Amino acid sequence: DAGVIQSPRHEVTEMGQEVTLRCKPISGHNSLFWYRQTMMRGLELLIYFNNNVPIDDSGMPEDRFSAKMPNASFSTLKIQPSEPRDSAVYFCASSRTGGYRDEQFFGPGTRLTVL
Amino acid sequence: AQSVAQPEDQVNVAEGNPLTVKCTYSVSGNPYLFWYVQYPNRGLQFLLKYITGDNLVKGSYGFEAEFNKSQTSFHLKKPSALVSDSALYFCAVRESRAAGNKLTFGGGTRVLVKP
Repeated sequence: DAGVIQSPRHEVTEMGQEVTLRCKPISGHNSLFWYRQTMMRGLELLIYFNNNVPIDDSGMPEDRFSAKMPNASFSTLKIQPSEPRDSAVYFCASSRTGGYRDEQFFGPGTRLTVL
Repeated sequence: AQSVAQPEDQVNVAEGNPLTVKCTYSVSGNPYLFWYVQYPNRGLQFLLKYITGDNLVKGSYGFEAEFNKSQTSFHLKKPSALVSDSALYFCAVRESRAAGNKLTFGGGTRVLVKP
C-alpha cells in the first residue's frame, strides 16, 4: 500500500492567496483527519471525516479554512485568503474505521509558508 | 474531556542505555492509548497501542509501553537505545466513550541518543 498521499509537499505563497492542500487516504480507510503542526501550538486536529461526512470541525481556526471530502479517496483543505500565521506543516491521516481502537496513519505532510 | 501530558520536552540518553519517555493521561472513562514517533521532515508513525488486556504492550522497533491505571501513565520504554531512535515522540489518548475517532496528542518529547 502506498500509504497516505499528500500534495504538494511544499507550498510557498503570498498573503491573500488561496491555498489548496490535497490528501488521498489509504484505500479502504473510512476516517480521515486533517492536523496542523507548529512549534508554538504542537499538533492540532482541525477536522475529521467519517465515511466522507465531516464529524467534528471544531478545530478549524476560522472561516478562512474549509475542508471537503467529495469521495472516499480524496480530500482537500483550503485556506482563502491565506495569512502568514497559517504557516505550518499540515498533515492528513486516515484510519480503518471510525472505531476508537484503530490507529491513525499519517501522510508525509505539506509544509506551507505564507509570506 | 480527555488530555495527555508529556512532562519532558527532551530526553538525552547514551546509545545502549535504557530509554524512557513519560506520558500521563486524563479521561473520564476507559482510555485507549497510543505512541507515535516522528522523524525529521516526516509524518507521524504508529509505534504501539494499549486497548485492553496485558498492561505491557510491545510495539515496533523494540519499543514497549506499560499501562498503569492507578498512576494514569503510559510510559514508553526501550531497553537499549540506538542513535537512530533520535526523534520526536508523541503520546495520544482517546476516551472509550469519546464521540467519533478523536485523538488527543501530547506536546511531544524529543529524544536524543548520543553515540
